[in-house]
Amino acid sequence: DADVTQTPRNRITKTGKRIMLECSQTKGHDRMYWYRQDPGLGLRLIYYSFDVKDINKGEISDGYSVSRQAQAKFSLSLESAIPNQTALYFCATSDLTLAGADEQFFGPGTRLTVL
Amino acid sequence: AQSVTQLGSHVSVSEGALVLLRCNYSSSVPPYLFWYVQYPNQGLQLLLKYTSAATLVKGINGFEAEFKKSETSFHLTKPSAHMSDAAEYFCAVSEGDSNYQLIWGAGTKLIIKP
Repeated sequence: DADVTQTPRNRITKTGKRIMLECSQTKGHDRMYWYRQDPGLGLRLIYYSFDVKDINKGEISDGYSVSRQAQAKFSLSLESAIPNQTALYFCATSDLTLAGADEQFFGPGTRLTVL
Repeated sequence: AQSVTQLGSHVSVSEGALVLLRCNYSSSVPPYLFWYVQYPNQGLQLLLKYTSAATLVKGINGFEAEFKKSETSFHLTKPSAHMSDAAEYFCAVSEGDSNYQLIWGAGTKLIIKP
C-alpha cells in the first residue's frame, strides 16, 4: 500500500463550488505539505504543517485553506473554486532529520479541473 | 531571495548517451540542494541531495550531481541514458535553518531516443 495517498485522484468541478482534497499518510511523519504543479512553473507551496497545531501559509495560499485533522491527515479546501485553480495538486510528507534538508515523500497527485 | 533556474524545459538524448540536466541557484546562505524525478502519472521522488558534505553526490539509478559554489550550479548527470530514465526532473533549493521551504525549478523533461 502507498505511504502517502490522495483522494480523489481526478476531479472536475464548476466555478464557485467548494472542493476538498484529502491526504493521508502512514509514514508517521509530523510534517505535511500541499503543493500545486502547473506546466512550466514547477511546484509551488500552498500550505505546510509541522505538527497538528502548527499550520503555515506558503507561497500561494490565497483562495485555499487547510485542516490538519490528525498527524496522518491533511486536507486542502478550495472554498469557491475558480478556473485558474485548475492544476495538479500534490501532498507531501517529511520527517525532521537535518533542518531544511528533509526528504519529502509525495502522494500520486490530484488532477483538478475547474470549469 | 532564493531561486532556481533549470536550463531547458526539454532535453533529448539518445539511449546510451550522456545525460546532463542543468540547475543554477541563488541563495544568500549555503544551501541544501535536491534533485527529484517525476515519472508519468506519479508523484515526485528524491534522486539525491547535497547537504554540505561531499560536493559530488551520488543518487539512485546511476545519477550523480556536483555542487559547484563558484558557479552556483548543481547539474545532474548520468553517463549512459536508459529508456526508463524518461521523466521530468526537478531541482530544488532550501536555505536550511533560516527557511524550511523548498524553492523549485520549473522542471526539465528528459526524452530518450531509441
